[in-house]
Amino acid sequence: AQKITQTQPGMFVQEKEAVTLDCTYDTSDPSYGLFWYKQPSSGEMIFLIYQGSYDQQNATEGRYSLNFQKARKSANLVISASQLGDSAMYFCAMLGGTSYGKLTFGQGTILTVHP
Amino acid sequence: DGGITQSPKYLFRKEGQNVTLSCEQNLNHDAMYWYRQDPGQGLRLIYYSQIVNDFQKGDIAEGYSVSREKKESFPLTVTSAQKNPTAFYLCASSIPFTGTGELFFGEGSRLTVL
Repeated sequence: AQKITQTQPGMFVQEKEAVTLDCTYDTSDPSYGLFWYKQPSSGEMIFLIYQGSYDQQNATEGRYSLNFQKARKSANLVISASQLGDSAMYFCAMLGGTSYGKLTFGQGTILTVHP
Repeated sequence: DGGITQSPKYLFRKEGQNVTLSCEQNLNHDAMYWYRQDPGQGLRLIYYSQIVNDFQKGDIAEGYSVSREKKESFPLTVTSAQKNPTAFYLCASSIPFTGTGELFFGEGSRLTVL
């Protein structure tokens, strides 16, 4: 069984500052992928970043980076230079090698960016 | 533009009625999924289909039914057997086993039972 844990129900950050959203995972699959999605108040799910379990380097996509610590089973999302438009719900998700395409999602973290 | 279209965006239903949520994709993806989201919660998998004419139950399939007669379409029926159907429903698609396995989502359908 796979499990994703996001322990921060809500986070606040000042505009232009960096923020880290925590994600820990548990799986017995030797090969897996980790995803972060953003969900604005409109409801759609926006893919942000992906990290494969065998990737040697941490993933980066513009202002988003993933702090992947395999031994600690953590995959934290770092957003640099926060913008007001970053205010949203953020979900961490995992795809295991034996999941046949099914993602497991965490409970989410609501991020609020203050001006 | 390629994407996933869900309809209706908002739906109201009386208790005891079945309703069907539509999901159409033109991404040529083999796999399609239905997730349910309750307020302040993560997404839970209802049903998924990896190929036409085949589908599998997810974690919370009770009270729901699906069909996959065409590659492009994966409608979800919320039956009267679903005890607490008020929720936000998201449809997604992917190309499993290739690339990252990223899910592409529709904009969701919000169902309210009156």
